[in-house]
Amino acid sequence: EIVMTQSPATLSVSPGERATLSCRASQSVSSNLAWYQQKPGQAPRLLIYGASTRATGIPARFSGSGSGTEFTLTISSLQSEDFAVYYCQQYNNWPQYTFGQGTKLEIK
Amino acid sequence: EVQLVETGGGLIQPGGSLRLSCAASGFTVSSNYMSWVRQAPGKGLEWVSVIYSGGSTYYADSVKGRFTISRDNSKNTLYLQMNSLRAEDTAVYYCARQPRGLYFDYWGQGTLVTVSS
Repeated sequence: EIVMTQSPATLSVSPGERATLSCRASQSVSSNLAWYQQKPGQAPRLLIYGASTRATGIPARFSGSGSGTEFTLTISSLQSEDFAVYYCQQYNNWPQYTFGQGTKLEIK
Repeated sequence: EVQLVETGGGLIQPGGSLRLSCAASGFTVSSNYMSWVRQAPGKGLEWVSVIYSGGSTYYADSVKGRFTISRDNSKNTLYLQMNSLRAEDTAVYYCARQPRGLYFDYWGQGTLVTVSS
């Protein structure tokens, strides 16, 4: 099983500032990585797939980068609606899909 | 518009069975890869099972032999039959569409399963 590790567990950032979230895979997943946003009481929402491709309707302030074992999700200028929990997910080792444990992005 | 609506959750005793349904609209279930993903209270996401468009099925080790994924093409609905339920199966269960078996692009709102005596 590929283990996905996200850091930090909680990130405190002020609105308007940049947020950088990290995801590390226990072995290479190439670019087969997705990012999701989840708000309380809601289902996850796909943000990024293929490590860097924004999903339909996702604002340009969200960007993804990385390949192999190290990945980053960057939110360039935080809006109030961006404070949520973010998960990464690998789909290289299908059909054993695995998620990271999540990073909670909170208002500083 | 793509929509997924899960039903069938509830309170069930350990060892019991439950069947979850996921009614889809805006696309054809049988032409897509479809998965169930669960989330225990206050925890992260865990993939549970997938059914490929060709009909092949796969399961997480934690549910293998106890859960069965299926679909009804005439009803455009996905199912998860859960048997021998355990306390650790308590979670919100989401169905999700999975293009080519990769990432999850559309999710339902989830249905809560609570396994407790």
